[in-house]
Amino acid sequence: NAGVTQTPKFRILKIGQSMTLQCTQDMNHNYMYWYRQDPGMGLKLIYYSVGAGITDKGEVPNGYNVSRSTTEDFPLRLELAAPSQTSVYFCASRASMGEQYFGPGTRLTVT
Amino acid sequence: KQEVTQIPAALSVPEGENLVLNCSFTDSAIYNLQWFRQDPGKGLTSLLLIQSSQREQTSGRLNASLDKSSGRSTLYIAASQPGDSATYLCAVRRMDSNYQLIWGAGTKLIIKP
Repeated sequence: NAGVTQTPKFRILKIGQSMTLQCTQDMNHNYMYWYRQDPGMGLKLIYYSVGAGITDKGEVPNGYNVSRSTTEDFPLRLELAAPSQTSVYFCASRASMGEQYFGPGTRLTVT
Repeated sequence: KQEVTQIPAALSVPEGENLVLNCSFTDSAIYNLQWFRQDPGKGLTSLLLIQSSQREQTSGRLNASLDKSSGRSTLYIAASQPGDSATYLCAVRRMDSNYQLIWGAGTKLIIKP
């Protein structure tokens, strides 16, 4: 029972590089989310999606982009990485009115 | 604007004690409330989900209650164990937005052997 999976687990980027964080869920959930969690801080919503083809900005969308071409996948794209994007990134999904499930996270360092 | 508060920010108790974690919210118009735990360096694990029409939910040694009218939820942990040490977060799903959870800052719980 895979649930929400994220790749990679760890990544080190140089300033200005780009990368895509992958997120896949196998629960047929319509709602998917990307959060970031800085050390010692709470979760901040980056982007969310209410279904394939529909995405919207959260609290901290600058420097990121998302797409949702399928129900299962919700990749997060970082363009021109900056040190301020050093964080742990969590993907989550839920069914309507249901529990929200989280992936294990991607630990990203930008130097 | 919905705000979620968790008090205390940290709690340390001896193993075996029963304990209560608190979560309060300012707007009673919520769809549901969810409790999570987060272990250091790990992701979030869902513990309990209480729909707005429910008063409580139980899972093993955990019991969560919800009082919408007073804007409060409690997470009761019976017979605490060192393995319960983690940060516990509550989050409410707003009635006026079906998309986002509003998060508390969490209570860091340490169970001393």
